[in-house]
Amino acid sequence: QKEVEQNSGPLSVPEGAIASLNCTYSDRGSQSFFWYRQYSGKSPELIMFIYSNGDKEDGRFTAQLNKASQYVSLLIRDSQPSDSATYLCAVRRGGSYIPTFGRGTSLIVHP
Amino acid sequence: DGGITQSPKYLFRKEGQNVTLSCEQNLNHDAMYWYRQDPGQGLRLIYYSQIVNDFQKGDIAEGYSVSREKKESFPLTVTSAQKNPTAFYLCASSPQGLGGTDTQYFGPGTRLTVL
Repeated sequence: QKEVEQNSGPLSVPEGAIASLNCTYSDRGSQSFFWYRQYSGKSPELIMFIYSNGDKEDGRFTAQLNKASQYVSLLIRDSQPSDSATYLCAVRRGGSYIPTFGRGTSLIVHP
Repeated sequence: DGGITQSPKYLFRKEGQNVTLSCEQNLNHDAMYWYRQDPGQGLRLIYYSQIVNDFQKGDIAEGYSVSREKKESFPLTVTSAQKNPTAFYLCASSPQGLGGTDTQYFGPGTRLTVL
């Protein structure tokens, strides 16, 4: 059973702080990793994807992948109240096109 | 504007009725997917299709049916056999569905409520 684990939260951070969201996965054959943001009542929106070990930066967002330890994280710098949402981690095995989603972490950025 | 559309946004169904949820994409994507999301839960895969006239069951296909007669369209029918259909239904598509750099993009969703 392929599993993707996320702390459900809520993770509460003050405005301007760094929010750190973590995701662990069980399938060592996983090769593609995605972070989606989902506002309440809305559909998931792709934020970032990462395939190689290390860091990938896009604006205020940084994805970090460590395949040896089987975790992927998302850092949000200079957090804003508009970042308050649920963040879904998705993991896909090499050769497959069906990702496995975690249950998501709720992030609250308070002014 | 390229994108994925789903209709209706809200749908109410009486017990024992079949209902069909529409999903259309103009992204020229080959693969399309249907997910179900319940409160506090992750996304669970219902059906997926990699090419026209072909589709596969996902993890929770019982009580659902799909068709893929056109590349752009992947409607989902929720049948009366689905015991607990009240949920948020999400349609997604991806360019080829072949893994690697492929990413899924989601439609706005349909919220189905059984009365």
